[in-house]
Amino acid sequence: QVQLVQSGAEVKKPGASVNVSCKTTGFPFTPYNFAWLRQAPGQGLEWLGWISGYVGYTSYAQKFQGRITVTIDPSTTTAYMELRGLRSDDTAVYYCAREACSTVSCHAFDSWGQGTPVTVSS
Amino acid sequence: QSALTQPASVSGSLGQSITISCAGTSSDVGSYALVSWYQQYPDEAPKVLIFDDIKRPSGVSHRFSGSKAGNTASLTIFGLQAEDEAEYYCCSYAGTDTWVFGGGTKVTVL
Repeated sequence: QVQLVQSGAEVKKPGASVNVSCKTTGFPFTPYNFAWLRQAPGQGLEWLGWISGYVGYTSYAQKFQGRITVTIDPSTTTAYMELRGLRSDDTAVYYCAREACSTVSCHAFDSWGQGTPVTVSS
Repeated sequence: QSALTQPASVSGSLGQSITISCAGTSSDVGSYALVSWYQQYPDEAPKVLIFDDIKRPSGVSHRFSGSKAGNTASLTIFGLQAEDEAEYYCCSYAGTDTWVFGGGTKVTVL
């Protein structure tokens, strides 16, 4: 079945970088886009960016431009997210999600990873 | 990219119907038929309930219905059940390959 399995919890100091991986199984990798989202404690969902599984095209939320890089490795069907210059308000659960897309547009985040807690603290 | 506006909480009795609103702008909700709705239980990942404003993925209960008028999308839950108590989020395409979420609505079943 469709599975997105993320790497484990991270604790980082302010100014550091974090890398989160998202291993996918149960479906062909390249036809899909993969999004990254986060949820701060007690807060709502926030979209960070996405990457095309086929050509590696990326798009990022303006708020994270310059601090985030999303990559893929089609050979291992894994997506990665790096967030740099961490601050305390980056403390959140980070999710990867598969985007269900047609040839015209993408429609929804139809499968999600389990989430990776990232704590930023000195 | 401002967040979409949802009520913080909505409540209803068992068997009642409730509606959650999601207010956007002419740059997101009003411009694209690409609003989706997600249900999230505590400490779980979200699950998609509605996509393309009104469509339901297979396996999602017919008690969940999406609609839209102008810049405001809505999710209606018919015949409220105890298991509907959760957090609900709307999401809209916002142009130039970006997405924006609402702040979330906590649904309480009385």
